[in-house]
Amino acid sequence: DAGVIQSPRHEVTEMGQEVTLRCKPISGHNSLFWYRQTMMRGLELLIYFNNNVPIDDSGMPEDRFSAKMPNASFSTLKIQPSEPRDSAVYFCASSIRTGKETQYFGPGTRLLVL
Amino acid sequence: DAKTTQPTSMDCAEGRAANLPCNHSTISGNEYVYWYRQIHSQGPQYIIHGLKNNETNEMASLIITEDRKSSTLILPHATLRDTAVYYCIVSLAGNYQLIWGAGTKLIIKP
Repeated sequence: DAGVIQSPRHEVTEMGQEVTLRCKPISGHNSLFWYRQTMMRGLELLIYFNNNVPIDDSGMPEDRFSAKMPNASFSTLKIQPSEPRDSAVYFCASSIRTGKETQYFGPGTRLLVL
Repeated sequence: DAKTTQPTSMDCAEGRAANLPCNHSTISGNEYVYWYRQIHSQGPQYIIHGLKNNETNEMASLIITEDRKSSTLILPHATLRDTAVYYCIVSLAGNYQLIWGAGTKLIIKP
């Protein structure tokens, strides 16, 4: 299995630009998570999808952040407009919702907003 | 979810067993203990989980005390590639919200 795939792996952009991060979950997994990791705040859950439906977006920082999951094999996290404080590593994870959650993480996207 | 307490950092010699402790004194009866690790510049990786009984897989062993207030993750023969931050998480079965603390930074020394 290819595991969770994320793209791009690195992104450098200027403040005010739109950023789109992409994720392909493991085939057959019906839960998808977007996390953000910074030195100051650690690993934070941004949003959780189950069967392509957003279940919990309480971790999304503000309206500048949006996430979509148009089908079971693809999700995007968009930041518009981006700000320097959005600089972080963004992880996507997926799991099979069996009741014993084991989340499988992608390699992450390292975002730097100048 | 119950809170966990882990040492900030630990060292272990290559080839020896690495024993990582975790305290979770407020754990409830239906909460599981999960262990993940994060190698530098990679995403977190699931290691093992358990409820009451000790568990073993190809990566590690998990020893949970009888009162379930603490646990120990054991890497039986640590290698340099086991250098990582190890997270102990307590969570209800089926709860997608995993509360990630600071973890234990384990350094394996040659």
